[in-house]
Amino acid sequence: RKEVEQDPGPFNVPEGATVAFNCTYSNSASQSFFWYRQDCRKEPKLLMSVYSSGNEDGRFTAQLNRASQYISLLIRDSKLSDSATYLCVVNNNAGNMLTFGGGTRLMVKP
Amino acid sequence: DAGVTQSPTHLIKTRGQQVTLRCSPKSGHDTVSWYQQALGQGPQFIFQYYEEEERQRGNFPDRFSGHQFPNYSSELNVNALLLGDSALYLCASSFNGRRSTDTQYFGPGTRLTVL
Repeated sequence: RKEVEQDPGPFNVPEGATVAFNCTYSNSASQSFFWYRQDCRKEPKLLMSVYSSGNEDGRFTAQLNRASQYISLLIRDSKLSDSATYLCVVNNNAGNMLTFGGGTRLMVKP
Repeated sequence: DAGVTQSPTHLIKTRGQQVTLRCSPKSGHDTVSWYQQALGQGPQFIFQYYEEEERQRGNFPDRFSGHQFPNYSSELNVNALLLGDSALYLCASSFNGRRSTDTQYFGPGTRLTVL
């Protein structure tokens, strides 16, 4: 079983739609959680950190459920420019080693 | 303020050869991590360097080695290349990255193709 699991997609949605991605992690000692965005053939870029209290950044909302070891990302009012792969990332308790999920591909269509 | 830089951008090698990839961290950062990203997968942690020492290592064989210089830049060396080493190699830098909340910033990567 992978440490961080994501549905690979692709999720094909029209502009303006709301889309949600989920992720589960297996290491209960994990300390911090992130969503990274990766465009085709580019490096991953931090989208947002994820906190137990939930956090929002514009159209993006992230949520963490430690009891279920589950992380989510909600994108409202999807834009064409949101098309990318979204990587769920966990930082374990042993240091600053990031563990990535396989990514979820989003395609927003006109 | 320069971000993380990596060289070369692309590299083609043959099986059995050796390769060295280079990374300069973001200004003010002292910790460098290396990741391997195979096509269609998420990045996998190779190792992390801090104060010129390997501080943490992922599940990669000894063919993968590294170095950090006094100016915090780093090299990744891979010996006896295999076809399966073909991947995007990403360098990430952070500041004194012991804290799990330290943000890691990624460079553009080096795309290695092994023929």
